[in-house]
Amino acid sequence: DQQVKQNSPSLSVQEGRISILNCDYTNSMFDYFLWYKKYPAEGPTFLISISSIKDKNEDGRFTVFLNKSAKHLSLHIVPSQPGDSAVYFCAARGNDYKLSFGAGTTVTVRA
Amino acid sequence: EPEVTQTPSHQVTQMGQEVILRCVPISNHLYFYWYRQILGQKVEFLVSFYNNEISEKSEIFDDQFSVERPDGSNFTLKIRSTKLEDSAMYFCASSPFNNEKLFFGSGTQLSVL
Repeated sequence: DQQVKQNSPSLSVQEGRISILNCDYTNSMFDYFLWYKKYPAEGPTFLISISSIKDKNEDGRFTVFLNKSAKHLSLHIVPSQPGDSAVYFCAARGNDYKLSFGAGTTVTVRA
Repeated sequence: EPEVTQTPSHQVTQMGQEVILRCVPISNHLYFYWYRQILGQKVEFLVSFYNNEISEKSEIFDDQFSVERPDGSNFTLKIRSTKLEDSAMYFCASSPFNNEKLFFGSGTQLSVL
């Protein structure tokens, strides 16, 4: 199942700078997208979501952008903080209501 | 804040043995899920459960797997005869709406020897 792809396995960013995480999908029937954050030995934690009828959703330091024509979404974290160091998963929901997850991007925020 | 709890956090079993992984979803949620993550791989959907029955299941969820909500609070995943390849972190999740904003538990690390 390669419907959701996160092509960057890792990202390193300076504290205070912007983190940009990317996610591509192939299924045009996906109508809802989510980002999850996961710390070691913990379950994924919901971060932010966006419906396919929108192109942007913002929640504090986190903004998700959706480009439907490119089948691409991104998560921006501004400013990045040391506590943001985690694995970030992109997920998409189709008309079968199943969630498909990407492989994850490990973010490391350097002090 | 309410959370999904899973027990045990670690389970070691011999190949061929039955295991039951337990979960207590958030109390007012209606949809329940099991996912797993094999080491180094992506999080994979196993099954979703709504209104006391399976609503969706993946190809992974074969006859060796079953789910049950034996009472008003617990949600269990049973693997009848474990295989080596069942070794993974198993996550339970619940949500108030179908596949929106899932809340995950901390997972059960299953090791099949």
